[in-house]
Amino acid sequence: GENVEQHPSTLSVQEGDSAVIKCTYSDSASNYFPWYKQELGKGPQLIIDIRSNVGEKKDQRIAVTLNKTAKHFSLHITETQPEDSAVYFCAPPSGGSYIPTFGRGTSLIVHP
Amino acid sequence: NAGVMQNPRHLVRRRGQEARLRCSPMKGHSHVYWYRQLPEEGLKFMVYLQKENIIDESGMPKERFSAEFPKEGPSILRIQQVVRGDSAAYFCASSGGTGSYEQYFGPGTRLTVT
Repeated sequence: GENVEQHPSTLSVQEGDSAVIKCTYSDSASNYFPWYKQELGKGPQLIIDIRSNVGEKKDQRIAVTLNKTAKHFSLHITETQPEDSAVYFCAPPSGGSYIPTFGRGTSLIVHP
Repeated sequence: NAGVMQNPRHLVRRRGQEARLRCSPMKGHSHVYWYRQLPEEGLKFMVYLQKENIIDESGMPKERFSAEFPKEGPSILRIQQVVRGDSAAYFCASSGGTGSYEQYFGPGTRLTVT
């Protein structure tokens, strides 16, 4: 199975700063790398994902970068806003599977 | 286009009772996944179903838990003889099918066992 670790577990930033969350995984056959955002009392929401044939993907203020050699991928949020405050999870499936393995989450707090 | 629906949103059961959690997938989706989330933890996979078929139940506890996804109607996660340790948030997600990695989650059912 896949071993997934996220760092940091908590991240506190000022509004307007950038935030970076890193996810390391163990299965070199993994080929899909998603990030989910979970707000309090809600279900996770897919915010961005990347496939293994691409090194970086951007969608407005969020981006994901992938380093397959080192087996890690990162979520980048620029110009953070208070509404970005949430718990963020990476959840790569093992190679050959559609079942994601969730990290323990990173609690992002954006101070106005 | 309605998203994934779960009901009830909150469920309180006494120890020993049964809990039934329902999930209606997104329109056009035929695959459903169930997850359990304990406070301040990530989601743990429980079971993956297609209509009338269990594809992978490797995350399901061996006793008291069962799941189904009938030809008509919602997917059901059933917990018999609930214990305090079953208290958690249960989420379902749906996807478009084989070859589709993207999962869309419902709002969850928060089960409290008293």
